Amino acid sequence: NAGVTQTPKFQVLKTGQSMTLQCAQDMNHEYMSWYRQDPGMGLRLIHYSVGAGITDQGEVPNGYNVSRSTTEDFPLRLLSAAPSQTSVYFCASSYQGGLDTQYFGPGTRLTVL
Amino acid sequence: AQSVTQLGSHVSVSEGALVLLRCNYSSSVPPYLFWYVQYPNQGLQLLLKYTSAATLVKGINGFEAEFKKSETSFHLTKPSAHMSDAAEYFCAVSENYGGSQGNLIFGKGTKLSVKP
Repeated sequence: NAGVTQTPKFQVLKTGQSMTLQCAQDMNHEYMSWYRQDPGMGLRLIHYSVGAGITDQGEVPNGYNVSRSTTEDFPLRLLSAAPSQTSVYFCASSYQGGLDTQYFGPGTRLTVL
Repeated sequence: AQSVTQLGSHVSVSEGALVLLRCNYSSSVPPYLFWYVQYPNQGLQLLLKYTSAATLVKGINGFEAEFKKSETSFHLTKPSAHMSDAAEYFCAVSENYGGSQGNLIFGKGTKLSVKP
């Protein structure tokens, strides 16, 4: 099993550009989530999904969109990148939400100039 | 609302010394509590978790944590630090709404340095 995979590993964007961060898991997990990690802030939940076709907002959703058309994939879209979105982004999955062990991807380091 | 406070953003210990990383939580319902570890340039991995069974929880790499409801604490300990323990450690809480799944809320993290 590959576990949770994320692409790309690194990305540099200019302000106003859009992009999609990819996340995939091969463990048949229903729950998937996106976090951003900033120095001294820990991990903050952006969006999450409890199954295909169901998504909801986390703590810091502004500026991000998600969709979940399959169990395996949970892409995160930045519609118009801003410097405040410079961060490391982690995707995670689990069988059953926050009560269960989360499996994290290796992260995407995004810089917005 | 649930929250997590980790006391000390940086902790430095000597190799062989006791490791103690502090975590306090607030929760309106019985919590599930977790410690995750992040090695440099990697994602997070689970160290251990408390799910309302035994209050003393043993994890990987010799770490353990004790759930103390009266103190709302879940401190992480290891009797003897090893150089390979140098990493960032995150405490996290999730609320159990009787089967409905709460999301995971993380503390700000504690970076552990181990001196030779």
